[in-house]
Amino acid sequence: GDSVTQMEGPVTLSEEAFLTINCTYTATGYPSLFWYVQYPGEGLQLLLKATKADDKGSNKGFEATYRKETTSFHLEKGSVQVSDSAVYFCALMRQAGTALIFGKGTTLSVSS
Amino acid sequence: DSGVTQTPKHLITATGQRVTLRCSPRSGDLSVYWYQQSLDQGLQFLIQYYNGEERAKGNILERFSAQQFPDLHSELNLSSLELGDSALYFCASSAGQPNTEAFFGQGTRLTVV
Repeated sequence: GDSVTQMEGPVTLSEEAFLTINCTYTATGYPSLFWYVQYPGEGLQLLLKATKADDKGSNKGFEATYRKETTSFHLEKGSVQVSDSAVYFCALMRQAGTALIFGKGTTLSVSS
Repeated sequence: DSGVTQTPKHLITATGQRVTLRCSPRSGDLSVYWYQQSLDQGLQFLIQYYNGEERAKGNILERFSAQQFPDLHSELNLSSLELGDSALYFCASSAGQPNTEAFFGQGTRLTVV
């Protein structure tokens, strides 16, 4: 079945460091790919998405490119801030209107 | 604010009991999804309703059931509760095809003692 694999955390960085969180997926067809973020005590918020191969999603300095050849959707940010500390979830949706399938989440901790 | 409202925020109950979690989707969204988040299992999809009808089932136990009402709010019923049912339960809503975005509520934290 469809699945998402994320790098294990926690990831601990200093402020202004470069961030990469790896995500790979297994799915038939052409799923849409997402990154969600969960801040402490809150629900999940959509961070960015890409709906077809080679699309780049971006938001708040975060970027991820849909790579069909490597079945990957790695999250990157050039300079992290303390306020980016959260849990990040990679997810896929096989087709519009169906359920999201999530990776296990990666905890990011940024210190000043 | 995502526009998805879940009540209650916290629930503490004893083993063997039954509880009902409530979700009001964003205005106009026809699809409601329920997810369970636990430390060991991560985020697991439980069930989806679309405009009052069950659309898809995930890893939902037989002790759990859900429904979506004509006003589109949804309820998740958990019965014969066990300690292992302690988790965060999230509801999400979406407009359905062709939209892909799903918006999540803040969750209900269930503690079974």
